[in-house]
Amino acid sequence: GAVVSQHPSWVICKSGTSVKIECRSLDFQATTMFWYRQFPKQSLMLMATSNEGSKATYEQGVEKDKFLINHASLTLSTLTVTSAHPEDSSFYICSASRLAGETNTGELFFGEGSRLTVL
Amino acid sequence: AQSVTQPDIHITVSEGASLELRCNYSYGATPYLFWYVQSPGQGLQLLLKYFSGDTLVQGIKGFEAEFKRSQSSFNLRKPSVHWSDAAEYFCAALGSGTYKYIFGTGTRLKVLA
Repeated sequence: GAVVSQHPSWVICKSGTSVKIECRSLDFQATTMFWYRQFPKQSLMLMATSNEGSKATYEQGVEKDKFLINHASLTLSTLTVTSAHPEDSSFYICSASRLAGETNTGELFFGEGSRLTVL
Repeated sequence: AQSVTQPDIHITVSEGASLELRCNYSYGATPYLFWYVQSPGQGLQLLLKYFSGDTLVQGIKGFEAEFKRSQSSFNLRKPSVHWSDAAEYFCAALGSGTYKYIFGTGTRLKVLA
């Protein structure tokens, strides 16, 4: 099966520091990865679409300078929360879509999520 | 605008009882439809998906869903709920030719022993 691994699963940091979260597709190539933010007891909010080798596409209202996304290879995307503040505390989830040939199979494979707490 | 609606925020059922979680979508054309389950503090796991063909879709863990075009619905069902089914359930849709998924707001299932 397709596995997406996210690291770290939880992180606590001081206000003003930067935190990097990694998302890896372990057994398939993912040209497109997605980053979501989930507030307690709420649905997933798409933050950005990460495309290998190009700039990420951010959703309206998401600060691209605040949430830096890099998709350096077909198996790795990173989200860096820069100058984190307590309001950035949240559950961040990545997902990847696997392409079968030129067909999008449609299914998203999710990482385990990363819980960020900013003190 | 495209949207996915899950009318029930919370549902409580007794163990062994049947379950139906509702999902309605609003799209220009029939999208791909999915149900995901999320346990506390975890990522999402795919239960089942509908692309085309048979409108009754079987998934993992004994779940099934029925696509009804006339009602723009994709309701999730299980004939007998187990305590381990307690979780958050998300319905999602994907428009043809796009990678942008739209998630419903989720339904939190509580199972009484």
